[in-house]
Amino acid sequence: NAGVTQTPKFRILKIGQSMTLQCTQDMNHNYMYWYRQDPGMGLKLIYYSVGAGITDKGEVPNGYNVSRSTTEDFPLRLELAAPSQTSVYFCASTLWGLLNYGYTFGSGTRLTVV
Amino acid sequence: AQSVAQPEDQVNVAEGNPLTVKCTYSVSGNPYLFWYVQYPNRGLQFLLKYITGDNLVKGSYGFEAEFNKSQTSFHLKKPSALVSDSALYFCAVRDPLWNDMRFGAGTRLTVKP
Repeated sequence: NAGVTQTPKFRILKIGQSMTLQCTQDMNHNYMYWYRQDPGMGLKLIYYSVGAGITDKGEVPNGYNVSRSTTEDFPLRLELAAPSQTSVYFCASTLWGLLNYGYTFGSGTRLTVV
Repeated sequence: AQSVAQPEDQVNVAEGNPLTVKCTYSVSGNPYLFWYVQYPNRGLQFLLKYITGDNLVKGSYGFEAEFNKSQTSFHLKKPSALVSDSALYFCAVRDPLWNDMRFGAGTRLTVKP
């Protein structure tokens, strides 16, 4: 059972470049999330999805896009990278229902925009 | 208003001493409360949760937390700290009407030998 898998683990982008951060879970979780973590700021929600075909903005969505074509995958797209997007990105998933489980997190992607 | 607050950026304790990491929350409904731990260069790991029932919940690695509704707090505790407990700890809260959890800014716990 792999849990939540994120790729790549590290990436350096130049300003204006684009990239996709991949996130896959094999637990049949219906909810998936993307967070960014900045020092002293905790985790900020970028986008989330409550199921295949359904996505919604979080607290800091500007500069990002997502899609959820399958239950398993929830990629995060950066179209025009900016230095302000230098951060550690975490994908998480959970199974909301009667039993409110916590999140399962991926190991993160450390992104630097130069 | 902030949904969850961790008033201490840093907590230092000596090994063998009890530790407390503080968390207060603000939600309109009955809260679902969580604690996570993050070790260097790792993702967050679930420690424990409070949904309903006994106010004292026990979790992984000997940690426990006490839900106090009147003080809107959910402090993380451990009777005897270990050096290996040194990490970043996050409190999180979910209102039953939300689709996500809100995280505190984190508290860095350092346990010194």
